[in-house]
Amino acid sequence: DQQVKQNSPSLSVQEGRISILNCDYTNSMFDYFLWYKKYPAEGPTFLISISSIKDKNEDGRFTVFLNKSAKHLSLHIVPSQPGDSAVYFCAASAGLRAGNKLTFGGGTRVLVKP
Amino acid sequence: NAGVTQTPKFRILKIGQSMTLQCTQDMNHNYMYWYRQDPGMGLKLIYYSVGAGITDKGEVPNGYNVSRSTTEDFPLRLELAAPSQTSVYFCASSSLRSGTVEQYFGPGTRLTVT
Repeated sequence: DQQVKQNSPSLSVQEGRISILNCDYTNSMFDYFLWYKKYPAEGPTFLISISSIKDKNEDGRFTVFLNKSAKHLSLHIVPSQPGDSAVYFCAASAGLRAGNKLTFGGGTRVLVKP
Repeated sequence: NAGVTQTPKFRILKIGQSMTLQCTQDMNHNYMYWYRQDPGMGLKLIYYSVGAGITDKGEVPNGYNVSRSTTEDFPLRLELAAPSQTSVYFCASSSLRSGTVEQYFGPGTRLTVT
């Protein structure tokens, strides 16, 4: 049973345009949602997070939107840059009460074309 | 700060051999985790620890063991290596601070069992 799903395995976007990555979850106990970026042969790097009491969080070019009723979140990257080409993972957590454990989606590979 | 360090970077094991993957963090984080990532998939939690002397199973613990004798170190032991354990292994840590769930990852260990 996949509790966190990223239904688009890949995404190609032109430099300067917006990248939109989507993620769905099923577990109502999740309180926090995170996005990680991963380059080949490196560990995942934390990008941005949002708690369930918010519906939007912005950090520079990255914005995460949360729709709790739909159990859906998205990551917007604008403008997209070639250095953004990587695999992006959505993750969810039930917080300290669950050991801060993260449940990951399968990832979306983003290619930003110059 | 070195963050989370993992050794070795690469290893090839024969079926039935054993090995220990090392993980150390210098951020004084209470929480530590081991994940595996199979090709094209997301990360799956193997074991985690909320403090020295305390460990618990994650989603895919079979074939692995862990110990946590210090805050800094969280080694992962494979006793009888099997081809199904061919994967990339990531260690991560996180703080005990309330409202903070992001985990910081090491660079990974690529393990091949033949």
